[in-house]
Amino acid sequence: GIQVEQSPPDLILQEGANSTLRCNFSDSVNNLQWFHQNPWGQLINLFYIPSGTKQNGRLSATTVATERYSLLYISSSQTTDSGVYFCAVQNTGTASKLTFGTGTRLQVTL
Amino acid sequence: DAGITQSPRYKITETGRQVTLMCHQTWSHSYMFWYRQDLGHGLRLIYYSAAADITDKGEVPDGYVVSRSKTENFPLTLESATRSQTSVYFCASTTASSGNTIYFGEGSWLTVV
Repeated sequence: GIQVEQSPPDLILQEGANSTLRCNFSDSVNNLQWFHQNPWGQLINLFYIPSGTKQNGRLSATTVATERYSLLYISSSQTTDSGVYFCAVQNTGTASKLTFGTGTRLQVTL
Repeated sequence: DAGITQSPRYKITETGRQVTLMCHQTWSHSYMFWYRQDLGHGLRLIYYSAAADITDKGEVPDGYVVSRSKTENFPLTLESATRSQTSVYFCASTTASSGNTIYFGEGSWLTVV
């Protein structure tokens, strides 16, 4: 099956810093989503981004499908950004099944 | 807008017992999913359903049974719970009209002793 690798596995930032999280995938996809899991375990969808660039406030994401990677940018980080960020992909031709990476754990400190 | 709800949120059960985790969504989404989350493995798909009465296996289906008699409900049953099924279980749903964005429930923490 498709492989999803996220980097870095762990990241510690001071509040106000910027960061870039990367997601590499091993096959073509027709669906890619980024999620944030907060410290209480809740999974929140950030972006549906199988290709192109999207922005939502301090967060933006870019997927280059032809090169099989996606980037999540966090600018002016806040302590509420702490948690785990997951990239999840769906193979072309399968039925809305997402394969998740193992995540990037982000800690934002004061 | 209730969204997607799971019950129970927390459960402790004994090895060998049958356990059912409930999932209910109010959006009439066609697709529903069950994932389990374990340290070091991220989220792995157990079963999914494309519509009522249509279900299919995911990556780790062994030891689990699902049904979907109504669009809004997608229960997950552990027929004979084992310690290796101790995990956090997430139900999710999506539909094409939501842009394939997947929405997750709050999770069910299950401990098998």
